[in-house]
Amino acid sequence: SQQGEEDPQALSIQEGENATMNCSYKTSINNLQWYRQNSGRGLVHLILIRSNEREKHSGRLRVTLDTSKKSSSLLITASRAADTASYFCATVNTGGFKTIFGAGTRLFVKA
Amino acid sequence: SQTIHQWPATLVQPVGSPLSLECTVEGTSNPNLYWYRQAAGRGLQLLFYSVGIGQISSEVPQNLSASRPQDRQFILSSKKLLLSDSGFYLCAWETDRSSYNEQFFGPGTRLTVL
Repeated sequence: SQQGEEDPQALSIQEGENATMNCSYKTSINNLQWYRQNSGRGLVHLILIRSNEREKHSGRLRVTLDTSKKSSSLLITASRAADTASYFCATVNTGGFKTIFGAGTRLFVKA
Repeated sequence: SQTIHQWPATLVQPVGSPLSLECTVEGTSNPNLYWYRQAAGRGLQLLFYSVGIGQISSEVPQNLSASRPQDRQFILSSKKLLLSDSGFYLCAWETDRSSYNEQFFGPGTRLTVL
């Protein structure tokens, strides 16, 4: 069964606006990661946040993690048309081996 | 630097035909290797993973199989393709499970079974 579930499934915004995507999961995790996928391409790792961290930044990306609510959010500030892609959260369970991916959020940034 | 290759990029095969997709990694040794399948507009489904030569773990019962004949080579196969095998197949590698679990993905193979 899927571990990470993203919402919304799809998001359309104007260039310059912020985009927020959420991810919920079910079991205890070692870490949570966000990936990006351009249409028809492989996934690219964006950021990893460990279970003992609450917030992490990387450029225009901000990730938060709330282990009590078993949820994470990815914020992209000042979005650009080039940010148009699908974004996936992925979790590694505590003591687990596999990385489990959610179904993704499709982001469309209009120029 | 490390790179990962997948081929072919696209493939159209008739139902019942065999399949062989290949993935190779350069610039690292003893990687963990993964095969995923992605249906259109969906997330990734883990099919197989391998922690070493000849060591394959299957996640989903199906008519696909995987092999790892060399340290940096991972092959996905089928003896007889089904329509439901259509999808986007992604190979990925990672260094180890101890602390940092970033996976690096190949460009993918789009398989269409007719």
